[in-house]
Amino acid sequence: DIRMTQSPASLSASLGETVNIECLASEDIYSDLAWYQQKPGKSPQLLIYNANSLQNGVPSRFSGSGSGTQYSLKINSLQSEDVATYFCQQYNNYPTFGAGTKLELK
Amino acid sequence: EVQLVETGGGLVQPGRSLKLSCVASGFTFNNYWMSWTRQAPGKGLEWVASITNSGGSTYYPDSVKGRFTISRDNAQNTLYLQMNSLRSEDTATYYCTRGDNWFAYWGQGTLVTVSS
Repeated sequence: DIRMTQSPASLSASLGETVNIECLASEDIYSDLAWYQQKPGKSPQLLIYNANSLQNGVPSRFSGSGSGTQYSLKINSLQSEDVATYFCQQYNNYPTFGAGTKLELK
Repeated sequence: EVQLVETGGGLVQPGRSLKLSCVASGFTFNNYWMSWTRQAPGKGLEWVASITNSGGSTYYPDSVKGRFTISRDNAQNTLYLQMNSLRSEDTATYYCTRGDNWFAYWGQGTLVTVSS
């Protein structure tokens, strides 16, 4: 199985700040990576697929980058509605997820 | 609008069985692979099963292989998950998801609690 190591586990940021979340795969996943946002009590929502493709309807302040084993999600100009837990997921092999990053407001 | 509605969750004793259903609407069901993904309370996400659009092939992680069976009825636009020999570690919210790589659509989830 491909292991996904996500960091940090939690972070606190201020409104308007830029936030970065990292995901490290245990082997090359050739950009087969997605990012999800999950708000409390809700189902996950797809933000990014193929490492850097923005899902329809997702604000452009969200962006993804990376290649090989290292990937990141960037949130520009943090908004209050971005408070959530974020998960990465690889699909190069059977799908596996990172453990999540809980984002809170400072 | 794509909708996925899961039913069938509940409280079940260890070792017993449960069958989940997911009714899909808003897209051509038999064009898409479908999957189940679960989330234990307060924990992360775990892929549980996938099935091809025809239903001819199925895929599972080792954690559920031999105990869970995914199936579909394309005439009824319905996805199923038969769960046998349930364990306490199977306690989770089970989500129906469209696709087998990235999951663009998720249902609202159905909670399965395995406890005596």
